[in-house]
Amino acid sequence: SAVISQKPSRDICQRGTSLTIQCQVDSQVTMMFWYRQQPGQSLTLIATANQGSEATYESGFVIDKFPISRPNLTFSTLTVSNMSPEDSSIYLCSVARGYSGNTIYFGEGSWLTVV
Amino acid sequence: GQQLNQSPQSMFIQEGEDVSMNCTSSSIFNTWLWYKQDPGEGPVLLIALYKAGELTSNGRLTAQFGITRKDSFLNISASIPSDVGIYFCAGRGQGAQKLVFGQGTRLTINP
Repeated sequence: SAVISQKPSRDICQRGTSLTIQCQVDSQVTMMFWYRQQPGQSLTLIATANQGSEATYESGFVIDKFPISRPNLTFSTLTVSNMSPEDSSIYLCSVARGYSGNTIYFGEGSWLTVV
Repeated sequence: GQQLNQSPQSMFIQEGEDVSMNCTSSSIFNTWLWYKQDPGEGPVLLIALYKAGELTSNGRLTAQFGITRKDSFLNISASIPSDVGIYFCAGRGQGAQKLVFGQGTRLTINP
């Protein structure tokens, strides 16, 4: 398994501001992922955070809105920029482990409410 | 692209009953994962399946990787109140890095 810690766990943010979410893993991992889960919805992949290179973003997500850092193999950050109420979601950090890296473990999530 | 259809979307059962939910995909998967999510928390991995036909148990939970590689089911036996939550299936196709998620099954248990 994996121990994945996210900060903050919850926050209420003002419209137009930006917030950075931190993700710390208990041991080195090659692949880290950031997901968004809007209220009552399933999980949607935002991007894959690569160590030493730029993140790979999924369709509908752009670097200007969701800049990601991956300074080492145990840490990553996701920034939600210029927030609007539509950005109110749970943001989840995850890592790939196990059999051929096919098992994905999630952090506790960061629940952001934009007012 | 790959799509997952998870059913049922919600279930209302009596404590002690058995539960069954399933996922089907539009293409062949080589990994199936089942998660449970409690309100305000991140998904917790319940069972991971890597081979067609694989049947794996975790306590009262049993999941199987379908022979066709396009489906998987999760069974919960003798449900208890702490089983309440949302269950997600997720899968990954051959050569794909991205994990695809089902829409979730919300389980409610009447005492």
